[in-house]
Amino acid sequence: DIQMTQSPSSLSASLGDRVTITCQASQDITNYLNWYQQKPGKPPKLLIYDASNLEAGVPSRFSGSGSGTDFTFTILRLQPEDIATYYCQQYVNLPYTFGQGTRLEIK
Amino acid sequence: EVQLLESGGGFVRPGKSARLSCAASGFIFSSYAMTWVRQAPGKGLEWVSTVSGGGGNTYYADSVKGRFTISRDNSKNTLFLHMNSLSVEDTARYYCAQNWKIFKSWGQGVLVTVSS
Repeated sequence: DIQMTQSPSSLSASLGDRVTITCQASQDITNYLNWYQQKPGKPPKLLIYDASNLEAGVPSRFSGSGSGTDFTFTILRLQPEDIATYYCQQYVNLPYTFGQGTRLEIK
Repeated sequence: EVQLLESGGGFVRPGKSARLSCAASGFIFSSYAMTWVRQAPGKGLEWVSTVSGGGGNTYYADSVKGRFTISRDNSKNTLFLHMNSLSVEDTARYYCAQNWKIFKSWGQGVLVTVSS
């Protein structure tokens, strides 16, 4: 199975900050990577697919980049509604695997 | 608008069985693979199983293979997950999601609690 390692596991930032989360795959997944946002008590919400494509309706302050084994998810100018846990997910091979999540909090 | 509504969760004794359902609307159900993803309390996301649009191809995580069966009734736009030999490790919220690989739409999930 492909292991997905997210860093950091938790993050505290101030409103307006630029926030960066990384995700490393245990083997090459080309660009078969998605990013989800999950708020407490809610299902995950797709933000980024194919490593860098913004899902329709998602604010442009969210972005993703990377290929191969190393990926980055960025939030420009953190907003209060961005407080959530973020997950990466690979889909190059079954079983599809998720990172362990990054919990984002307001400082 | 895609809508997915899970049902069938609840409290189950170890070793027993349960069946989850996911009623879909807002899209041509038979044209899409469907997936179950679970999340143990306070934990991360785990892909469980996927079924092709026609139902002929199924895929399972090793943790549930041989115990869970995914199926669908395209005439009723409904996805199922039959869970046998449940253990406490299966306690989780189970989400159905449209498609495979990229999960654009999710249900609200249903909680399954396995406990003696």
